[in-house]
Amino acid sequence: GQQLNQSPQSMFIQEGEDVSMNCTSSSIFNTWLWYKQEPGEGPVLLIALYKAGELTSNGRLTAQFGITRKDSFLNISASIPSDVGIYFCAGLIDGNKLVFGAGTILRVKS
Amino acid sequence: AAGVIQSPRHLIKEKRETATLKCYPIPRHDTVYWYQQGPGQDPQFLISFYEKMQSDKGSIPDRFSAQQFSDYHSELNMSSLELGDSALYFCASSFRRGGGPGELFFGEGSRLTVL
Repeated sequence: GQQLNQSPQSMFIQEGEDVSMNCTSSSIFNTWLWYKQEPGEGPVLLIALYKAGELTSNGRLTAQFGITRKDSFLNISASIPSDVGIYFCAGLIDGNKLVFGAGTILRVKS
Repeated sequence: AAGVIQSPRHLIKEKRETATLKCYPIPRHDTVYWYQQGPGQDPQFLISFYEKMQSDKGSIPDRFSAQQFSDYHSELNMSSLELGDSALYFCASSFRRGGGPGELFFGEGSRLTVL
């Protein structure tokens, strides 16, 4: 089945640093979504990408849909303590199935 | 803006009991999804409904069933509960009709603990 490889598994960074995480897959996805999840809460949609090569920003977050449609990255600039959480990439296929990566745990040291 | 509403937020059951989780999707969303998330795991797809019909099936055990009602809310019924069913259960909704964007929006989840 479809599988997303998300890296890094975890990051412990200094407040103010930039963060980068990415997802790759052997399958082609029509849509890439990036979610953030905090403990005991549901995933919150951060950015949605629809077209190959698309670069989209949401505040300090920037994400890109890879040209091959098999990868995506998420950058967070100037990290702050409230950025702490688990970030999941997710690929949407057939307009219906959402496949998640394993998540990147982000910790920020202030 | 209205979000996906799930109830109950927390549920404690004993082995072999049954449990029912409810989900109210975002208004005008036509598709509902159920996911199960174990500790330290990513959400795993269980089942989805589009316009009240089962749309897709994932790793949902035979002991579980779900349906979507005429008002688009959905219920996940879990019977003969096992310890391994303890997890966070998320409902998500999206708008797919006419090639809608399809992004899934998640509820805050229902935490099921089986003792």
